[in-house]
Amino acid sequence: AQSVTQLDSQVPVFEEAPVELRCNYSSSVSVYLFWYVQYPNQGLQLLLKYLSGSTLVKGINGFEAEFNKSQTSFHLRKPSVHISDTAEYFCAVSLTQGAQKLVFGQGTRLTINP
Amino acid sequence: NAGVMQNPRHLVRRRGQEARLRCSPMKGHSHVYWYRQLPEEGLKFMVYLQKENIIDESGMPKERFSAEFPKEGPSILRIQQVVRGDSAAYFCASSRELTSPLHFGNGTRLTVT
Repeated sequence: AQSVTQLDSQVPVFEEAPVELRCNYSSSVSVYLFWYVQYPNQGLQLLLKYLSGSTLVKGINGFEAEFNKSQTSFHLRKPSVHISDTAEYFCAVSLTQGAQKLVFGQGTRLTINP
Repeated sequence: NAGVMQNPRHLVRRRGQEARLRCSPMKGHSHVYWYRQLPEEGLKFMVYLQKENIIDESGMPKERFSAEFPKEGPSILRIQQVVRGDSAAYFCASSRELTSPLHFGNGTRLTVT
């Protein structure tokens, strides 16, 4: 079975500061990795995904993530955040075969302060 | 091209009543997934359906919960005899192909009083 751990439940950051949201996963087989963002009272929007190839993945809204197989991590970063980045962020994994049964972490609430 | 449409957005039911949640996938999408988000938790997979078929229901509670995706019309998640523990946000997602990206709806927030 797969599992995902997001190490921080809340991350407060000042506007224009860099941010890193941490994600570790556990799986005995290869997985795909994802980061989703959820704005208040909305559904999830895909930020970026790692399927294969380059370990540095660039996504929307200036976010990027790096896949580290040895540390089983997939941390999300942004060099300079905006107020509009305030949201809940979810890391997720799925098997590389079959249906997309995503396994989500508990979420990290990112709060941007002016 | 409209996104994944879920209705109602908010649903209040008394204990023992039935809840019916609807999901219209994006046009051209034949794969539908239901996820549940309990308060302060991440989303948990419930069921995966293709038109008229339940493919994987390993995340569905064994009793009171059922799902369908008929040939015509939206996918329906049905919860019979709701209890307070069913209060959650229920999200539907769809994809065009098995490995295509998932598109999520805005969810239905069920409150059981």
